[in-house]
Amino acid sequence: QKEVEQNSGPLSVPEGAIASLNCTYSDRGSQSFFWYRQYSGKSPELIMFIYSNGDKEDGRFTAQLNKASQYVSLLIRDSQPSDSATYLCAVKHSGNTPLVFGKGTRLSVIA
Amino acid sequence: NAGVMQNPRHLVRRRGQEARLRCSPMKGHSHVYWYRQLPEEGLKFMVYLQKENIIDESGMPKERFSAEFPKEGPSILRIQQVVRGDSAAYFCASSPGGTGRSPLHFGNGTRLTVT
Repeated sequence: QKEVEQNSGPLSVPEGAIASLNCTYSDRGSQSFFWYRQYSGKSPELIMFIYSNGDKEDGRFTAQLNKASQYVSLLIRDSQPSDSATYLCAVKHSGNTPLVFGKGTRLSVIA
Repeated sequence: NAGVMQNPRHLVRRRGQEARLRCSPMKGHSHVYWYRQLPEEGLKFMVYLQKENIIDESGMPKERFSAEFPKEGPSILRIQQVVRGDSAAYFCASSPGGTGRSPLHFGNGTRLTVT
């Protein structure tokens, strides 16, 4: 059973701070890792993806991957109230396999 | 709109009726995935289809649920004899290919309410 685990939160951070969201996965053969953001009542939207160990930066977002520890994280710098949402970690094995999602971490950025 | 199109946005059915959910993938995408999301829950994979083929239906209940993606037209998720437990948001996603590096792009979802 492939599993993706996330702390459900809520994670509360003050405006301007760094929000750190974490995710672990059970399938050691996983190759691709994605972060989605989902506002309440809306559909998930892709924020970032990462395939290789290390860091990947895109604007205020940094994804970090450690395959040895089966751990992926998302850092949000200079957090804004508009970042308040549920962040979904998703993992894919390879080829024709579906994305497996965690239950998400609810982030609340306090103005 | 070149995004993933789902309709209807909201669907109300009485117990025992049939629900049909439609999904048109993004232009150029030939892979369609259906996910279900219960309130306060994560996205649960149901089925993965390519044109005229079901690739993986391991997440779909064996009874009452079926899916298709015909050569022409949208993908359809069909739920027969709906029960209250089927009430959820159903999301369709598409990707251009089946490689591990293809992110999924989601539609706005269909919110099914069974009364």
